[in-house]
Amino acid sequence: KNEVEQSPQNLTAQEGEFITINCSYSVGISALHWLQQHPGGGIVSLFMLSSGKKKHGRLIATINIQEKHSSLHITASHPRDSAVYICAVRYRGGWGGSNYKLTFGKGTLLTVNP
Amino acid sequence: DGGITQSPKYLFRKEGQNVTLSCEQNLNHDAMYWYRQDPGQGLRLIYYSQIVNDFQKGDIAEGYSVSREKKESFPLTVTSAQKNPTAFYLCASSTWTGDSGANVLTFGAGSRLTVL
Repeated sequence: KNEVEQSPQNLTAQEGEFITINCSYSVGISALHWLQQHPGGGIVSLFMLSSGKKKHGRLIATINIQEKHSSLHITASHPRDSAVYICAVRYRGGWGGSNYKLTFGKGTLLTVNP
Repeated sequence: DGGITQSPKYLFRKEGQNVTLSCEQNLNHDAMYWYRQDPGQGLRLIYYSQIVNDFQKGDIAEGYSVSREKKESFPLTVTSAQKNPTAFYLCASSTWTGDSGANVLTFGAGSRLTVL
């Protein structure tokens, strides 16, 4: 079964700390998404990666295809970063329709205290 | 601004009733999806549609039905056959850029269904 594992499940930090959230998957993928879900439920797509590294403001996402692992980093964390961060992957293979399907991790709940 | 609109945001249903959740997008995305989210679990795919008048079952389609008569609209009906329908439902849409699977993915704000 293709699975996505995130760690840690819960993370509490003080404002200004450097945050790392990890995501591991089991087989080859064509793309990996990092998503942010705030209280209230709406989800925002932060990054989509197929290789290397992407940066947007204080957020950095990296992926190591050989190790089947991705990390989301937050520099100079702020209370407004408090949210659930979700990793989702699109596995390789299958017919065209299945390429649309994502497999999601259970999420990491980040709380940043002032 | 382009985006996805889900309605209603909150919905209460009595056992035995069918309810329909609306999802409308003005992003001109080809693909649309319905996901269910339960506490402590990852999002699970209910149905997805790549093009108008075509849709496919996801991992947990039993007790649900959809239609895709227009590119912009992908309503989800939760039928009385769904044994545990209380959950948070998310609609999403995406573009498609070929074999790499790279795409733009956008979510709606969600609909919370509670069965009384």
